[in-house]
Amino acid sequence: QKEVEQNSGPLSVPEGAIASLNCTYSDRGSQSFFWYRQYSGKSPELIMFIYSNGDKEDGRFTAQLNKASQYVSLLIRDSQPSDSATYLCAGRRSGGYNKLIFGAGTRLAVHP
Amino acid sequence: EAGVAQSPRYKIIEKRQSVAFWCNPISGHATLYWYQQILGQGPKLLIQFQNNGVVDDSQLPKDRFSAERLKGVDSTLKIQPAKLEDSAVYLCASSPPGGNTEAFFGQGTRLTVV
Repeated sequence: QKEVEQNSGPLSVPEGAIASLNCTYSDRGSQSFFWYRQYSGKSPELIMFIYSNGDKEDGRFTAQLNKASQYVSLLIRDSQPSDSATYLCAGRRSGGYNKLIFGAGTRLAVHP
Repeated sequence: EAGVAQSPRYKIIEKRQSVAFWCNPISGHATLYWYQQILGQGPKLLIQFQNNGVVDDSQLPKDRFSAERLKGVDSTLKIQPAKLEDSAVYLCASSPPGGNTEAFFGQGTRLTVV
C-alpha cells in the first residue's frame, strides 16, 4: 500500500465549475499535508498546506482534512483553464525533520 | 530571495556512464531533498539531508546512487553506472528551519539514459 494515494485522473471539469481532488494516506502519524500544483515540464509549486482537521480556505482554493478517515481534499472553485495541471498531495509526520512523501498526482483538465 | 538552483537542466548519457547533478538550496534552508520523478508519476524521495547529515535514504539505490552535502549547503547527486530506468527528472528541494514546513523546488534536471 502506498503511503499517499491519489486518483491519477484525468479529472475533466468545465470552466467555472468546482474541481474536487482527493487524497488518502496510510500513515496515521502523518500530521501535515501539502497540495502542490505542477504544470507540464515544470517543478511543483505549493498551493496550500493544512495541519488541522476541517477546512482551510485561500482564495478559490479550499483544503479539507479528516484525520479520522485519513483523507485530504482540495477544492478549486470557479475553475479556469489555467488551473489545468497535475495536483500533488504530500504528507509528513509531525515533529523533527520527517520526510515529505508525495502521491502520484491527479491530472486536472479544465475545458472552456 | 533566490530560489533553489540546479544544474544542469538537461543531460543525455549512455547506459553504464556516470552523471552528477548539483543543487544549491535557498540560503538558510537546513533541509535538502533529492526526488526522482519518472514521467507520469509523483516525486519519489531519494534522500533527505538535515544540514550535512542524512535523515532518510531508504529509497536511494545505494549500489549506483550516491549523494553528499558538504558543509551543509549545496549538494551533489551521482549515478554510476546509469541504467535506462534512471531516465527521469531529478528534483532538488529545500525547507526552512522549523521542521514541519513546505519544500521549495528547483527547476529540476531532466536525465535521459540511452
